[in-house]
Amino acid sequence: TQLLEQSPQFLSIQEGENLTVYCNSSSVFSSLQWYRQEPGEGPVLLVTVVTGGEVKKLKRLTFQFGDARKDSSLHITAAQPGDTGLYLCAGAGVSNTGKLIFGQGTTLQVKP
Amino acid sequence: DAMVIQNPRYQVTQFGKPVTLSCSQTLNHNVMYWYQQKSSQAPKLLFHYYDKDFNNEADTPDNFQSRRPNTSFCFLDIRSPGLGDAAMYLCATSKRTDRGETQYFGPGTRLLVL
Repeated sequence: TQLLEQSPQFLSIQEGENLTVYCNSSSVFSSLQWYRQEPGEGPVLLVTVVTGGEVKKLKRLTFQFGDARKDSSLHITAAQPGDTGLYLCAGAGVSNTGKLIFGQGTTLQVKP
Repeated sequence: DAMVIQNPRYQVTQFGKPVTLSCSQTLNHNVMYWYQQKSSQAPKLLFHYYDKDFNNEADTPDNFQSRRPNTSFCFLDIRSPGLGDAAMYLCATSKRTDRGETQYFGPGTRLLVL
């Protein structure tokens, strides 16, 4: 059974601070997605990474896929209150079953 | 804009009274999923359709059923809702590719069971 360990589960920081969220697994993924979810809404796709070692940037957010495609990280620079939400990583297995393996989620609170 | 739409956004039902949640998509994706999500947890997959093929998760209760009459629409039926079924229900779609796939979520339906 594939598992995706996401950490930390909760993070409360001040506006302007930097943070990193990690997703780790012993299994290889064909791709990995990062989502952000606000209360009462569905997850919104931030990025999909598919190539080992890939780095993608989305404004102040930097996403990295590990060389072996077993882990990923999300780094936010100079966090703002608008970044508050639940961040989810989700991996697609190499067997292409159509299912995503989700991490436990990281609840981020950015205080002004 | 192409998107995933869920109706209603909020549903209140009584204990044991059947309820149907709907999902539609304009992405022309061949895979549609239903997830249950409880507070601040990751979504839990209930089942998915790959075209017309229905794939049920082993731990999805029989109380939950689904229908997909065509590519664009998918329904979640809860035959006898219990208090424990109160949750956010998320519909998602994807287009199956050889390198895994990206799922796109709808805004969700918040179900309250009284």
